[in-house]
Order: sequence, then C-alpha cells, then structure tokens
Amino acid sequence: SQTIHQWPATLVQPVGSPLSLECTVEGTSNPNLYWYRQAAGRGLQLLFYSVGIGQISSEVPQNLSASRPQDRQFILSSKKLLLSDSGFYLCAWSGLAQETQYFGPGTRLLVL
Amino acid sequence: DQQVKQNSPSLSVQEGRISILNCDYTNSMFDYFLWYKKYPAEGPTFLISISSIKDKNEDGRFTVFLNKSAKHLSLHIVPSQPGDSAVYFCAATPSAAGNKLTFGGGTRVLVKP
Repeated sequence: SQTIHQWPATLVQPVGSPLSLECTVEGTSNPNLYWYRQAAGRGLQLLFYSVGIGQISSEVPQNLSASRPQDRQFILSSKKLLLSDSGFYLCAWSGLAQETQYFGPGTRLLVL
Repeated sequence: DQQVKQNSPSLSVQEGRISILNCDYTNSMFDYFLWYKKYPAEGPTFLISISSIKDKNEDGRFTVFLNKSAKHLSLHIVPSQPGDSAVYFCAATPSAAGNKLTFGGGTRVLVKP
C-alpha cells in the first residue's frame, strides 16, 4: 500500500532563516506531488505541484520554492522566512490520471 | 474569487442524527468533486467522491449528492457519530487540468453524544 511521509512534524524558525520541508511517498511510481498550505482557520491553498522529476508548477507568487530531485521526493524551501509563512504545510500525492489526492500528516511551521 | 464555497463554517448535530454539509461552486469546468475529513494537526483524509456523470454516490454512512444545474453538492452522514467531529472540506477539479484541486474553506462538525 502507499504511504506518504512528511518531516519535521513541527518547526519553529526565526524570521529570515532558511526552510526545508521534505515529503516522500512509498508504494507508488510516477506520482503527481503537491504542496498545500493551510493558514489558521482557512482552507487549503495549493502552492506547488509536480508531474515528474524536475517539473514544478507554482500556483501563487510567494517566498517559497519547491524541488523534486527524485521520483517520490518533494521538497519545500525558502531562503528567508517571513512571519506570513507560518501555517500548516501539507504534502499530497495522486496517481497518474487519478483525481483523488492523498495527504501526508503535515508540518506545523511557526515563524517568530 | 472563491470558486468553491462552504457557507456554513460550523455545524452541531446530535449523535445518531443526520449531518448535512453543503458546498457550492462557480466554475463550470469542474466535473469531479471530493470530500475530505480533517482532524486538528493531521492531514485531510479522503472520504468520498463523485463524478459529474452521477448525481449520487454512497459509501456506508456517507452519501454525496451533486446538483450540476445548481452547482451544488452536499455530504450526508447518517447516523452521525462522535468520531465524525472534525472539519470537512469539499474540493473540485476539472479532470483534464492536471488533477489540481480547489478546496472550500471547510465546515467544522461537532457531534454531541
């Protein structure tokens, strides 16, 4: 069966520090991968999605970037965090030509 | 511009009764719809979905209804259980658009024992 991992689970970072969140998927090949953010009391906003290694599409302009160095690895990064980057970050995957996305456990990021 | 809206931010229901969650959308290109359940500090869990070629899909206690002409869908939970207390998100996608989901803002459900 497929599983999706995210780490760390919680992160507290000072403003201006770098960020790296990692997501890996097991049990499937060539997944579509996604990064979402949920701000406090809000819905889920799609940040990035990837249909293959090195292929990244950005949905909203922001202080973040994403990379996919391996088929089942998706990384969310920032060079300098802002206070507004605080939130709950979720990674998700879907099979090719499949609409249903499956989410990881999430990372809670607090920027102080 | 919110393309998917859940106009009720919260819902309280007695255990054993029916929970009805509503979702409206504006984009006519959406043709596949999903419901997710989310507990605090956890990732959303997929519950049930429906394609625009259907008007109803049922899975155990969960039934989703789709009214394409009204651009409206609803999730019925019968009977409601205390473990159903969570935030529920509806999501929509035009199937041809790389599986990008657009989510509503969520409805918090509280099932009282």
